[in-house]
Amino acid sequence: DVVMTQSPLSLSVTLGQPASMTCRSSQSLVYSDGNTYLNWFQQRPGQPPRRLIYKVSDRDSGVPDRFSGSGSGTDFTLKISRVEAEDVGVYYCIQGTHWPRTFGQGTKVEVK
Amino acid sequence: QVHLQQWGAGLLKPSETLSLTCAVYNGSFSNYYWGWIRQPPGKGLEWIGEINYAGSTNYSPSLRSRVSMSVDTSKKQFSLNMRSVTAADTAVYYCARAILTGPDYWGQGTLVTVSS
Repeated sequence: DVVMTQSPLSLSVTLGQPASMTCRSSQSLVYSDGNTYLNWFQQRPGQPPRRLIYKVSDRDSGVPDRFSGSGSGTDFTLKISRVEAEDVGVYYCIQGTHWPRTFGQGTKVEVK
Repeated sequence: QVHLQQWGAGLLKPSETLSLTCAVYNGSFSNYYWGWIRQPPGKGLEWIGEINYAGSTNYSPSLRSRVSMSVDTSKKQFSLNMRSVTAADTAVYYCARAILTGPDYWGQGTLVTVSS
């Protein structure tokens, strides 16, 4: 299985300040069609995960533009340019390139 | 807007079979794979498997021996069965539309507790 390693596991950020987290895969996530299926999800407490970013850097409809994704190959980053109170939750990366699909262990974001 | 509604028994005894069903409302059923994902309390997410309208399945290797999935295209529903559950299978189980870009639509989740 492709192992997805996220860091840090927790992040405490001051309101209005930037936040950054990384996701590293044990194999390249470039698919045979040339796309890289690395996706980011946000899970607020008590809710199902919600997709924020797909194919490394494409933002889902309705996702604020303060969220951005970048990276290539095996190393990826999710950035929040200015953290807001509603950004509290756990952020997961998931790869869709290889079977079985695998998730990172999550980065917990708290706002202070 | 695609909507997924799931249901099934929430309390099982060890060795029993977990059964969950998910119905898809709006949108195409036949153009996608449909998956199951679980999350133990306070822990991360685990992909269980996925199935398409024709019944073609992909199961996680770690659960393949106990898991089966089925589909009813006439009702736009798909189901998960997991045999011989133990306490380690206690989790919130989600159904979702499974695509390479990550599940974009999710069910509400079902907490399944395995306890004697």
